[in-house]
Order: sequence, then C-alpha cells, then structure tokens
Amino acid sequence: QKEVEQDPGPLSVPEGAIVSLNCTYSNSAFQYFMWYRQYSRKGPELLMYTYSSGNKEDGRFTAQVDKSSKYISLFIRDSQPSDSATYLCAMSPDLTGGGNKLTFGTGTQLKVEL
Amino acid sequence: GAVVSQHPSWVICKSGTSVKIECRSLDFQATTMFWYRQFPKQSLMLMATSNEGSKATYEQGVEKDKFLINHASLTLSTLTVTSAHPEDSSFYICSGGGMGAIGGYTFGSGTRLTVV
Repeated sequence: QKEVEQDPGPLSVPEGAIVSLNCTYSNSAFQYFMWYRQYSRKGPELLMYTYSSGNKEDGRFTAQVDKSSKYISLFIRDSQPSDSATYLCAMSPDLTGGGNKLTFGTGTQLKVEL
Repeated sequence: GAVVSQHPSWVICKSGTSVKIECRSLDFQATTMFWYRQFPKQSLMLMATSNEGSKATYEQGVEKDKFLINHASLTLSTLTVTSAHPEDSSFYICSGGGMGAIGGYTFGSGTRLTVV
C-alpha cells in the first residue's frame, strides 16, 4: 500500500463547476499537507499548504485536512479552463528548515472544458 | 518570493555523453536540495537529497555514480547525468528547502532531457 493515495483521473468538468480533489494517507506522522499544481512540462507550483487539521481558503481554492480520517481535499470553485493541470498532493512530518522530504500522491489530471 | 532557477529547460544529448543540470536558489538559501525524476503522466520520484557541503543521499535503486549531485553552496546545486542512455530521458526537477522557501520547498521549472 502506498503512503499516499490519489486518484489519477483524468477528471473532466465544465467551466464554472466546483472541483473536489482528494488524497488519503496512511502515515500518522504527517503534519504538513501541500497541494501543488503542475502544468505540462513545468515544475510544480505550490497552491496551498496547511498544518494539521482544519480548513484554509485562498481565493477560489480551499484546502481541508481531516487527520482523524487521514484524508485531505482541495476544492476549486468557479473552475476555469486555466485550471486544467495536474494537481499533486504532498505531505511531510516536518517542514522545519526544509530538510524533510515530501511524499507525493500520483497526481490528478484535471481538465476544465468550455 | 523565493525562486529556484533551473537550467537548461530542455536538452538533447547523444548517448554516452554527460549532461549537467543547474539549480540556483534566488532570495533564499537552499540548505537542502531535492532532485526528482518524472515520467510522463506519473508523479515525482525522489532521486536524491543533498545538504549543502555534504554528500548526497540517494534513494534505493538510484545509481549514485550515474547521477552525480553537487551542492557546494547554499545557492547552487547541480545534477550531472553521466554516460547518458536513452532510458535516462526524462523530466528532472529540483526543489530547494530552507528558510525562506515557500511552504518549506520551492521547485525549479524542470529540465526535459532527451538522449538520442
């Protein structure tokens, strides 16, 4: 069993839809949870990161962490064609000093259609 | 904000030659640099972790003599693919970790290597 599970998709939605992307994990030591967006042939771009359980909102994006269920989500409201990309969840037990490696999900490919 | 500048963005080389990829951290000191490899439609696979001034730690199955990593300063790390073969063709991405990096880690824009 992988430490982080993520549905690879592809996920296709109409413009304006609410998108829900999810990851589950097995390692209870994970405390930091990140969502990255990756366009084709580009490096990942950090969208949001959260510490421990709870919600965090940034514009059209909302990240949720439920540590009791080992489940994290990213919601995208009013999705746009420019949101079409691969979304990767990533986790780490500690980000102090930036020395701990991230464990990534496989990424979900999202396509927002006009 | 913190940026990792990665060069080249793409490179084509002949089989048997070596290729060097550079990652420079701008506006922050990358005490740790992570090197990843990514195949089409797959996630990032960690190859190695390097700390400034120390030898890199390679993940299981990654040949350290083939993928040479140097992290001689807090702002520069390099990955050299030695004696490249077509199966080394891939997308290579670096990520810098340290104080000032975004969310703990800042990724480079990636290098697409094609070995012919």
